[in-house]
Amino acid sequence: AQSVSQHNHHVILSEAASLELGCNYSYGGTVNLFWYVQYPGQHLQLLLKYFSGDPLVKGIKGFEAEFIKSKFSFNLRKPSVQWSDTAEYFCAVRNQAGTALIFGKGTTLSVSS
Amino acid sequence: DAGVTQSPTHLIKTRGQQVTLRCSPKSGHDTVSWYQQALGQGPQFIFQYYEEEERQRGNFPDRFSGHQFPNYSSELNVNALLLGDSALYLCASENQWTDGGYTFGSGTRLTVV
Repeated sequence: AQSVSQHNHHVILSEAASLELGCNYSYGGTVNLFWYVQYPGQHLQLLLKYFSGDPLVKGIKGFEAEFIKSKFSFNLRKPSVQWSDTAEYFCAVRNQAGTALIFGKGTTLSVSS
Repeated sequence: DAGVTQSPTHLIKTRGQQVTLRCSPKSGHDTVSWYQQALGQGPQFIFQYYEEEERQRGNFPDRFSGHQFPNYSSELNVNALLLGDSALYLCASENQWTDGGYTFGSGTRLTVV
């Protein structure tokens, strides 16, 4: 069965620090990959997605992710975090049937000002 | 504004009761999926509805059932509630013919006592 692993459960950073959140998926075929963010008390919002093409994907709010097929990875990055980036981050892969998202367990990011 | 509307926002039920949750998809979206998000976990796929039919189901018992109406809105029904059904239930919508990805609602927080 497909699965998604997020390596970091809780990341604590100071403002202006760089961020990288790890994500690995299990399926080796064509993949659709997503990063979602959930701010406290809010709904899941799409940060960025990868379907095909340039493996470096740019999303909203200065986030980017790199798809590395050989490593089954889709890590999320941001050069300089802000206090407002404090949230829960979820990596997800669309299942082979194309009907569902399989999520990782999430990473809580806490940014101190 | 999530674009996907869910009701109610919070609900408390007793073990053994039945519950119905409702979802209105984002305008222009024709496909609705339901997810269960337990505390500290990523969302788990329950099922997806398209053209008023259940297209795929995740690993959930038959106590979980759903319906999609001609206007694309959807209901999630859970019978014989268990304490373990306490979770945030998320509705997500998408359009089958675009690559926009899923839009999530803010969820219904169900507490079973």
